[in-house]
Amino acid sequence: SQQGEEDPQALSIQEGENATMNCSYKTSINNLQWYRQNSGRGLVHLILIRSNEREKHSGRLRVTLDTSKKSSSLLITASRAADTASYFCATGTASKLTFGTGTRLQVTL
Amino acid sequence: KAGVTQTPRYLIKTRGQQVTLSCSPISGHRSVSWYQQTPGQGLQFLFEYFSETQRNKGNFPGRFSGRQFSNSRSEMNVSTLELGDSALYLCASKLGQGNTEAFFGQGTRLTVV
Repeated sequence: SQQGEEDPQALSIQEGENATMNCSYKTSINNLQWYRQNSGRGLVHLILIRSNEREKHSGRLRVTLDTSKKSSSLLITASRAADTASYFCATGTASKLTFGTGTRLQVTL
Repeated sequence: KAGVTQTPRYLIKTRGQQVTLSCSPISGHRSVSWYQQTPGQGLQFLFEYFSETQRNKGNFPGRFSGRQFSNSRSEMNVSTLELGDSALYLCASKLGQGNTEAFFGQGTRLTVV
């Protein structure tokens, strides 16, 4: 079963714009992670935010976590065509991850 | 440092057959987890092996099994294949126990006809 929903399911933006995707989860967590998947291939770890953190940055990525609302958001700033991919939030441990439904991001030139 | 290697990359099997997929983790990583990805169910956890022992198991029928060897390489087996087993099977490895980052392979695309 999946931990929660991601919103929107699909997002199309132009290069240079910001992309925001949201994730909701159901149970208490110790941390939440975001992964990227290019065209049905393997997943790449982007960022991990712990339950006692509210915001975290990594390059052009900004992640927020609101444990009271059981939600997280991923912001990609100044998007590039190479950011075109599916993005998943995941909870649980690195041994057993529970993924959200994913957001398909399309960045056009 | 080589990444997680999954073989084969693509596989076509007939209903009723069985299949074995292989995963070689990053050198030194002792934990291997397997996931199934389908359009309908998304990414779902199958099982995790650490030091040749199954530590966690997802909600899949007994037709799905796995094992891990002393060199940490892992195999998963699906017997009596069904059309619904068509999926991308992903393997992830990590260094050890605890909340560390998981590194994924490129996956094996299994098609059951």
